[in-house]
Amino acid sequence: SQQGEEDPQALSIQEGENATMNCSYKTSINNLQWYRQNSGRGLVHLILIRSNEREKHSGRLRVTLDTSKKSSSLLITASRAADTASYFCATDADTGGFKTIFGAGTRLFVKA
Amino acid sequence: GAVVSQHPSWVICKSGTSVKIECRSLDFQATTMFWYRQFPKQSLMLMATSNEGSKATYEQGVEKDKFLINHASLTLSTLTVTSAHPEDSSFYICSVSARPDNEQFFGPGTRLTVL
Repeated sequence: SQQGEEDPQALSIQEGENATMNCSYKTSINNLQWYRQNSGRGLVHLILIRSNEREKHSGRLRVTLDTSKKSSSLLITASRAADTASYFCATDADTGGFKTIFGAGTRLFVKA
Repeated sequence: GAVVSQHPSWVICKSGTSVKIECRSLDFQATTMFWYRQFPKQSLMLMATSNEGSKATYEQGVEKDKFLINHASLTLSTLTVTSAHPEDSSFYICSVSARPDNEQFFGPGTRLTVL
């Protein structure tokens, strides 16, 4: 079964606004990653945050991780039309193996 | 990051035929590759973990005999969909990762349509 679940499933905002997507997971993790996928394309890695980290930044992206609540959020500031894509969180479950489980994803639509 | 290619990028085949999809790590020696399947507007579902020089590890519910995986070298893994049927139509994506970071680098995907 899938480890991560995203919220909301879909999000539509105006260009310039901030977009926040949340991810919850079920078991202990080594790290959590966020990926972006444009329609019909492969995935692009955005950020990896380790279980001992609480916040990480990369350009307009900010990721937080709360291991006590088993949740993470991805914030995209000053969104652009080009940010329109699906965003997935993925967790590497603490099983000792390298298996990454993806959440259902959030479809973000940024209107110009 | 690693550059990963897939070939073909799309394929249309008749029901009953077999289709081979290649995943190449162009600048990275990948001891482990992953194969995912993605249905429209859905998330990626891990099918199997491909280990160089050994048998692949399949996820529960994935038929080993239907989805043959061969990881013959550190730069190439292949997924063969045998006796394909329309329900096998999907987007197949491979990825590579390295210890200890576990960041994954994805190929562009292969869209399979079985008529």
